[in-house]
Amino acid sequence: DGGITQSPKYLFRKEGQNVTLSCEQNLNHDAMYWYRQDPGQGLRLIYYSQIVNDFQKGDIAEGYSVSREKKESFPLTVTSAQKNPTAFYLCASTLGGQPQHFGDGTRLSIL
Amino acid sequence: AQSVTQLDSQVPVFEEAPVELRCNYSSSVSVYLFWYVQYPNQGLQLLLKYLSGSTLVKGINGFEAEFNKSQTSFHLRKPSVHISDTAEYFCAVSAIGGNNRKLIWGLGTSLAVNP
Repeated sequence: DGGITQSPKYLFRKEGQNVTLSCEQNLNHDAMYWYRQDPGQGLRLIYYSQIVNDFQKGDIAEGYSVSREKKESFPLTVTSAQKNPTAFYLCASTLGGQPQHFGDGTRLSIL
Repeated sequence: AQSVTQLDSQVPVFEEAPVELRCNYSSSVSVYLFWYVQYPNQGLQLLLKYLSGSTLVKGINGFEAEFNKSQTSFHLRKPSVHISDTAEYFCAVSAIGGNNRKLIWGLGTSLAVNP
């Protein structure tokens, strides 16, 4: 079955450390997205990419970085510059005008 | 630009009762509309979508929604809820013809179905 795989499911970050969240899709979707979810704040867009080797900042890109070297992969790095990284991170993808399809998320916490 | 307002942050309801989750939006252009459901510690799953055509759309798990262009609303309804419908529900819109296919999200409505 096609889908989006996010890993790991749980991740812990030490102070001053960068961590990378993985997002892989086998849906042949061209566009991919990263969202951050905090209680009561809905989903906020961090970065998105519509084609390989191109990506755009979303509403809360500061302290995050991404790459899109392959169509199926869109990893998110949470850098030490992100002072409040504890959240649930969701990856999504889409093709054309279809609805976005989501992975199961990664929960990031601070040690 | 678009915005989405989910009018109720929490909706408690008894099992087998009907429920309506309200969603209003504002946009200067035509939009597509979506409802997603999120169970605890999981990703979002599409419940239903309005792209064009009939304003009454049916989705999974017995949910339906009606697009009302004059009132800029897209309320979600279910005639009889089950305990398993307890979850967070999100309304979202995207501009038709937009060049980035970004979704604008509401803040969510937490549906709690009690026995």
